Amino acid sequence: SQQGEEDPQALSIQEGENATMNCSYKTSINNLQWYRQNSGRGLVHLILIRSNEREKHSGRLRVTLDTSKKSSSLLITASRAADTASYFCATDDYKLSFGAGTTVTVRA
Amino acid sequence: GAGVSQTPSNKVTEKGKYVELRCDPISGHTALYWYRQSLGQGPEFLIYFQGTGAADDSGLPNDRFFAVRPEGSVSTLKIQRTERGDSAVYLCASRSLVPGGDTEAFFGQGTRLTVV
Repeated sequence: SQQGEEDPQALSIQEGENATMNCSYKTSINNLQWYRQNSGRGLVHLILIRSNEREKHSGRLRVTLDTSKKSSSLLITASRAADTASYFCATDDYKLSFGAGTTVTVRA
Repeated sequence: GAGVSQTPSNKVTEKGKYVELRCDPISGHTALYWYRQSLGQGPEFLIYFQGTGAADDSGLPNDRFFAVRPEGSVSTLKIQRTERGDSAVYLCASRSLVPGGDTEAFFGQGTRLTVV
């Protein structure tokens, strides 16, 4: 069974727009991580937010975490065609558990 | 090595056969993870090792699946009596786990297993 659930399942936006996706989870965590996957092969780590943090930035990425609601969001600002990929949240309690992902398509 | 290496990258096998999938983690990474991913789905946890021992194997679907990591480095995922439903991409990841530390996992490119 998977811990996290992303919402929406798919997102299509115009280049330059922002993309927001959400992740909800069920149990307590040490941290929450976001990964990106192109073409259904290896995942690449994007950002990690610890359980005692509420917001974190990395370049064009902004992640929030609300442990009381057991939810996180990933915002990609000023999207580019190269951001087209699937994005997954993963809850970390030493066992990394992934959600089903959000497929983002950025139209040029 | 520079990254996590998985071999083979593709494997086609006949139903009922035995297969082994190999993962070479990043040198020094103590934790190693196996996942299975079907088309359009997220990675499904199978098992994770801390050193040589399986710290959590709760994701292995049944006793046809087994994984080892005898020297705390390379790991092999073994599938007996393969079924068509085992067809998927099998992903391996590794990372350093230190007390109190929060670390990212590094993934290999996966092995695409097709059972015909």
